[in-house]
This record gives sequence, C-alpha cells and structure tokens, in this order.
Amino acid sequence: EAGVAQSPRYKIIEKRQSVAFWCNPISGHATLYWYQQILGQGPKLLIQFQNNGVVDDSQLPKDRFSAERLKGVDSTLKIQPAKLEDSAVYLCASSLRGGGETQYFGPGTRLLVL
Amino acid sequence: AQSVTQLDSHVSVSEGTPVLLRCNYSSSYSPSLFWYVQHPNKGLQLLLKYTSAATLVKGINGFEAEFKKSETSFHLTKPSAHMSDAAEYFCVVTSPGTGRRALTFGSGTRLQVQP
Repeated sequence: EAGVAQSPRYKIIEKRQSVAFWCNPISGHATLYWYQQILGQGPKLLIQFQNNGVVDDSQLPKDRFSAERLKGVDSTLKIQPAKLEDSAVYLCASSLRGGGETQYFGPGTRLLVL
Repeated sequence: AQSVTQLDSHVSVSEGTPVLLRCNYSSSYSPSLFWYVQHPNKGLQLLLKYTSAATLVKGINGFEAEFKKSETSFHLTKPSAHMSDAAEYFCVVTSPGTGRRALTFGSGTRLQVQP
C-alpha cells in the first residue's frame, strides 16, 4: 500500500512570495489533514477535510493561507504572501474516516522563508 | 478541550537500559491516545495507540504504554534501549466523541541513547 505522498520535499522562498504544497493521501482515505510543525514543537493542525468538505479550519491563518481538496482526493495548501514565521515543516496526513483512527503521515515539506 | 503535556523535553539513557517517556493528558471526553516517533528528516510513524480496549498497549519495536485514567497518564516504556531508538517522541490525544477529530500533539521528548 502506497503511503501519503507530498511534494516538494524542500522549498526556499523570500518573504512576500507565494508557495504551494501538494498532498496525495492513501487511496480510499476520506479524511485529510494539514499540520504545521515549527522547529522544536509538535505539529499543529491547520485544516481538516472530510472528503472535499472542510471540517475544521479554526487554526488556519485565513488572511494568507488557503487549502482545497478538489474531488475529495489530493489537496493543495497555499501561502500568499509568506512571512518569516511561516518557516516550518508542513505535514499532510490521512485516515479512513477520522475520529480516533490512526492517521498516516507523509514525509513533509520543509519550507524556509528568507 | 484536550491537551497533552510531555513532562521531559530531553531524556538520555544508556543502550540496554530501560526507557520511560512521560505523558499526561487532559480531555473532556473518553480520549484516544497515541505515541508517534519522528526520526530526523523522516515522517511521523505510529508506535502504538489506545482506544478504550486494554489499558496496557503494546506497540512496535518493543515499546508499550499504559493508560491510567486515575492519573490521566499514558507513559511510554521499553525494557531495553537500542541505539536506533534515538528520535523525537510525541504523545498525542484525540477526542472521538467531539466534532473535532484532529490530533493534539505534545511538545515532544527527544530521546538520546548513549553507547
């Protein structure tokens, strides 16, 4: 079974530029999550999708971050414009349905904003 | 509301000695609890999970954890540390009974294993 795929693995941009990350979850997983992991901290949820609908985006900085999951499969997370404090690893995870089920994580995209 | 407190940011043990990583949780509902491990430059891997079945949970690589409701704890243990166990460990809680199903992570414990 293929795992969660993410691209790119690394990205370096200057502040005020835009950037996009892509995630393809495990086949058949209805729930998809984006997490932000700042160096030295645990991951923090940004947004959760159930199929192509948003379940929780309460911690997404909506003035600069956006995410979509068209057709309920893969997903894109965008930052525009980026700030220095956005430097982090962006993790995508998926699970069959949600609730207390196991979430499977991708390798992450490491973003550095200069 | 749910939260997790990992009581040690760093733990150092010698190879072959026991490992104890401490975690306390807070949840308004019956929680599901997890331990994840993160090796450098690698993705998060599930070690074990508790979902209201047996209170002693066995995971991969010889790790286990015990759910103690009275102490609101879910400590991770291993009888004998191996060099390959050196990594960052995260205690995680979710509350399936609520509408919010995402994981809440602790701040992590970095495990060092000395030869």
